This record gives sequence, C-alpha cells and structure tokens, in this order.
Amino acid sequence: DSGVTQTPKHLITATGQRVTLRCSPRSGDLSVYWYQQSLDQGLQFLIQYYNGEERAKGNILERFSAQQFPDLHSELNLSSLELGDSALYFCASSPAPLGAGQETQYFGPGTRLLVL
Amino acid sequence: GQSLEQPSEVTAVEGAIVQINCTYQTSGFYGLSWYQQHDGGAPTFLSYNGLDGLEETGRFSSFLSRSDSYGYLLLQELQMKDSASYFCAVRDYTGFQKLVFGTGTRLLVSP
Repeated sequence: DSGVTQTPKHLITATGQRVTLRCSPRSGDLSVYWYQQSLDQGLQFLIQYYNGEERAKGNILERFSAQQFPDLHSELNLSSLELGDSALYFCASSPAPLGAGQETQYFGPGTRLLVL
Repeated sequence: GQSLEQPSEVTAVEGAIVQINCTYQTSGFYGLSWYQQHDGGAPTFLSYNGLDGLEETGRFSSFLSRSDSYGYLLLQELQMKDSASYFCAVRDYTGFQKLVFGTGTRLLVSP
C-alpha cells in the first residue's frame, strides 16, 4: 500500500459522457501526477501539480482537465468520452517535484475506466 | 522528442539471473528510474541512477552508462513473485521535470 488512494476503482460509462477521477496523495506529499495506461500506449504522463499549481503537462487531451485543491487532493476530469479513452488512470505523488532531492513517485491503485 | 527501448518480454527460471536492457534518446537527461508493475497493480519504484555505474538494492541492481544512453536492471535469485512488467523511465527536462516511461518488459519466471 503506497498511501495514495484513488476513487473509484472501476468506472463504466458511455461515449460522450463526463467523469471525474479522484486522487488523495500520501500524507505530506505536495506533488501529484496523473498517468494514463492503455495496452498499446504504455504509461503516458498527463499532468503534474505541485501545491495547487500546474507544473507540467504531457500528452493530455483538451477534453481532459485536472486540478489540485487546497487539501492537496486532485481530480482528473474527462469529458466527451470516446472509446479510446478506456484505460487505467493512475495518480502518483511525491513530497516534492522530481529532481528536488528525490526521485521516487508513489502510485495509487488506479481507476479502470471503460467507455462503451 | 524522447524514446526508450526495452525488450517486450523476457523469460527465466527460478534462481536464475536476468538482465533487462533499456536504451533511450532524450533531449536533456537527468536520470534513469526503474519501476515494477504486477498485473492489475500499480507501478512501484525500484531504483534510480543519476550517475554512471551500478546501484544495488538487495536482489536488484541497476546500471547506467550516460555516454551510451543505456541502462539495465539486473534481477538475481529470481523468484516466482518477480514475474511482472518492468519499466525504465527517464527524467526529461524541458522546462519542467516529468517522467517518460518505456513500453515495459514483461518478465515471466517459471519453476
């Protein structure tokens, strides 16, 4: 157990819908990262927040957005869902941004999204 | 852009030693990390190399050669529980710092 929690564990929805995935980082961690893992794409970095502010963006679609709240939990919003958005979505956290004296990210158990 | 290459699958028997290679091409390099992921599970951090050489953590070791843009993960005294996917990842500095993952190597350990 990494200490990172994600809800829900599973989500089944239809194309065109909107969903929100939630992540609570480890106690004391200020940095949150979101990843998408699909069979053919591997682990793809989406976006990073540090202490409430966006710090880095990866291959995140415009239909996707995220935020980190004052209590440091984060939400990933996925809208106008398409079949290809079906994937595992992981949240990870670290005390500080990578390179600031530490290199480890702690991953949550993931949310498995199925778009039908 | 960035690219990382790993073998897609490696097989070995219990008690053996296996090496998983990773070659990378990035613009800006600040270290190579390794993560383990069991089926249906979350990635877990194994090791990090920021400088050339070997880092040892129990049965696992990781090596980096920055001049060759190459690293490997060495697993010794293999156990059935080591069957998992192993990902190398590089820290890519393009103004911000984030991890770029390879496509992963599936390790199958047989009795």
